[in-house]
Amino acid sequence: QVQLVNSGGGVVQPGTSLRLSCAASGFAFNNYPMHWVRQAPGKGLEWVAVISYDGNLKLYADSVTGRFTLSRDNSKNTLYLRMDSLRPEDTAVYYCARDLSGGGAHDLWGQGSLVTVTS
Amino acid sequence: QSVLTQPASVSASPGQSITISCTGTDSDIGGYNYVSWYQQDPGKAPKLIIYNVSDRPSGVSNRFSGSKSGATASLTISGLQAEDEADYYCSSYTSSYIYVFGPGTKVTVL
Repeated sequence: QVQLVNSGGGVVQPGTSLRLSCAASGFAFNNYPMHWVRQAPGKGLEWVAVISYDGNLKLYADSVTGRFTLSRDNSKNTLYLRMDSLRPEDTAVYYCARDLSGGGAHDLWGQGSLVTVTS
Repeated sequence: QSVLTQPASVSASPGQSITISCTGTDSDIGGYNYVSWYQQDPGKAPKLIIYNVSDRPSGVSNRFSGSKSGATASLTISGLQAEDEADYYCSSYTSSYIYVFGPGTKVTVL
């Protein structure tokens, strides 16, 4: 079955860290760039980051640059998002998404992981 | 705050057609043919319905179509159905090597 499964969300305090995972199955994970997209409660979608198929290129939104780190392990078909120095405004559902064509067309999405940053 | 603009809401009766606009600049929509559109039901992950301005993924109804003129992209839904009621987001690649989403448009079927 072609799918992405998010895990690793939770409730954390400001300034702390959290790592999200995204396990891929049913397709050639190492052929696709992968993205993270987040959605704050009741708000719209916000693009967070993208990693190339081989992990050599990583790009981030200004809002997370320097705090979030994207990585992937193609041997484990898994994508990771390391989030440091978390802020209340990082509270959101985080989705991993596959890039169909290399132009940001997210054709396969995980179910999302809720991250709540609160004191 | 999004660099792309969309109408907050659009409504129409079943069977009618609607068009949702997504306006950017020459640094995003106007400069690249990497515009995508997503449909999102409440509590669900978004679904890709248009990519590369006007391509439809396999399995998406041909009632959905996309186009672009200058820095404005458009999503047209023809033969509106009750199941089309959802939030719709546009997205574009940008000259800053990042991607942006529009603020979303809520479509209501009257």
